[in-house]
Amino acid sequence: NAGVTQTPKFQVLKTGQSMTLQCAQDMNHNSMYWYRQDPGMGLRLIYYSASEGTTDKGEVPNGYNVSRLNKREFSLRLESAAPSQTSVYFCASSRTVTDTQYFGPGTRLTVL
Amino acid sequence: DQQVKQNSPSLSVQEGRISILNCDYTNSMFDYFLWYKKYPAEGPTFLISISSIKDKNEDGRFTVFLNKSAKHLSLHIVPSQPGDSAVYFCAAKSNTNAGKSTFGDGTTLTVKP
Repeated sequence: NAGVTQTPKFQVLKTGQSMTLQCAQDMNHNSMYWYRQDPGMGLRLIYYSASEGTTDKGEVPNGYNVSRLNKREFSLRLESAAPSQTSVYFCASSRTVTDTQYFGPGTRLTVL
Repeated sequence: DQQVKQNSPSLSVQEGRISILNCDYTNSMFDYFLWYKKYPAEGPTFLISISSIKDKNEDGRFTVFLNKSAKHLSLHIVPSQPGDSAVYFCAAKSNTNAGKSTFGDGTTLTVKP
């Protein structure tokens, strides 16, 4: 039982490049989330998916797109990376939006 | 404006003593509060939560207190252990928007042997 897995663990991009962060959960959870954490700050919600087929904006959605590919997988895409998107990205899942969230280990992204 | 604030960036406590971590919020719509613990290079893990209909919730060494009138909650760890050294995040959400949690900036707890 792996829980929430994220790939890649580390990534360096140049300004303007695009990439997709992958997240998968094996807990049969309905809800999934993407957060970012900047140094010295708390987690900020980028997007979430309450259930398969739905996605909603969080606190800081600009510059990002998401896809709930199926119940297990929720990807985050940066179409044109900017230095301001340098951060650690965490994916999380929960049985429903009212239940405890379980987090992945994070992806450390640097945009030069 | 930050809706969830943890005003102490760090706290150092002796092993065996009580650790008290504080959190303040401004949004009166918040009705569910959570504490997460985070070790370096790992994702946060859920620790304990409290609903606004309660003023205390206890789970082993961890107790969360909620003072709704003051919009303040605190996490007590008794007794503190070196393995408790981590960053602790307070988070809040409302029942009407349960998918959106708002986090504080975290408090780094160091428990000295």
